[in-house]
Amino acid sequence: DTEVTQTPKHLVMGMTNKKSLKCEQHMGHRAMYWYKQKAKKPPELMFVYSYEKLSINESVPSRFSPECPNSSLLNLHLHALQPEDSALYLCASSQDRTLTEKLFFGSGTQLSVL
Amino acid sequence: KQEVTQIPAALSVPEGENLVLNCSFTDSAIYNLQWFRQDPGKGLTSLLLIQSSQREQTSGRLNASLDKSSGRSTLYIAASQPGDSATYLCAVGHLGTSGSRLTFGEGTQLTVNP
Repeated sequence: DTEVTQTPKHLVMGMTNKKSLKCEQHMGHRAMYWYKQKAKKPPELMFVYSYEKLSINESVPSRFSPECPNSSLLNLHLHALQPEDSALYLCASSQDRTLTEKLFFGSGTQLSVL
Repeated sequence: KQEVTQIPAALSVPEGENLVLNCSFTDSAIYNLQWFRQDPGKGLTSLLLIQSSQREQTSGRLNASLDKSSGRSTLYIAASQPGDSATYLCAVGHLGTSGSRLTFGEGTQLTVNP
């Protein structure tokens, strides 16, 4: 199994809503990532978890809250988002955070904030 | 600061042509370089990973080369097919201020016409 599974595939939310994005991998990878991607731009790193601990937060606003309940799961909790947060949110995983091996991406959650 | 540039930004070719996509990076102190493919609204698929000690990698009709000293990589696609139409991104793995990270180029949008 070389898949990273993300749910939901699409999400529309209002600025006062609370929602969560979910990501799962069963490759035994110990590093997991959240990226944000705007149209026609490369992915931007948001968070990195290594062995279930947050190791990088790229100065992301607190309305985005990551969580890693176990080595296979990664969540991104969303609260009070702004319309400019509308983007494709991508989860990825790798063997470890040294990035010496391939990075595997999920298919993403297309988020629209109204 | 590592910067990655991809040329051209867009490319349109007839089916059957061989083509070359270019990627350059400013700092040669890299771990590796990955080429990814992304279909519209989807996640990234890793095509080839070249470690810094390697010169090239091949997978089917794809061949990627790496010249670390000059800060360049090329992705060669042989006998292009309409199904190859996608955005191709290169990313270099390197040590950043907060640990290992990938820095992406802006991508080349490829269209292969039947």
